[in-house]
Amino acid sequence: EDQVTQSPEALRLQEGESSSLNCSYTVSGLRGLFWYRQDPGKGPEFLFTLYSAGEEKEKERLKATLTKKESFLHITAPKPEDSATYLCAVHAAGGGNTPLVFGKGTRLSVIA
Amino acid sequence: DVKVTQSSRYLVKRTGEKVFLECVQDMDHENMFWYRQDPGLGLRLIYFSYDVKMKEKGDIPEGYSVSREKKERFSLILESASTNQTSMYLCASRDGEQYFGPGTRLTVT
Repeated sequence: EDQVTQSPEALRLQEGESSSLNCSYTVSGLRGLFWYRQDPGKGPEFLFTLYSAGEEKEKERLKATLTKKESFLHITAPKPEDSATYLCAVHAAGGGNTPLVFGKGTRLSVIA
Repeated sequence: DVKVTQSSRYLVKRTGEKVFLECVQDMDHENMFWYRQDPGLGLRLIYFSYDVKMKEKGDIPEGYSVSREKKERFSLILESASTNQTSMYLCASRDGEQYFGPGTRLTVT
């Protein structure tokens, strides 16, 4: 069974304190790995897609990386506005219509 | 700019009422999805559709049905709303990357 596990469940950082969020996955074959940001009471906002091990993508203070077993979302010098829940999802091999498998998210709080 | 819209941001219904949640996407995507999201349980897939008039059950389809008469529109129906269906409902569409709507916070009293 395809599975996604995110850690930690919650993370509290001081402003400027860099850290990483982890997404471990077990799938029969990976078509893509997705990162989302979700603010309270809103729908998830798409951030990145990674397709193969070794790939990296960046957006402002965020950088996502991918290995064969996990992905990291690195947050450099975070600001309070980076506070949100970050979701990871995988699209497993088995057809283009296969639903994504989501992790339960990491709730990030950045304190000024 | 990609867009998925949902008919209501907040909805309050009574137990036993029939409830329609509408979702529209403007990206010509084949695949559309309905999820519910509850604290501690994450996103759970209710139904999805990969083509007009096609539907597939997700992980928690009981108490729900769906309709997809046009490619851009995917409706979620609660035939007889119950209090345990109080939740945040999220629609998404996908063709490669998946995009979500803003969500509907449904309260059933």
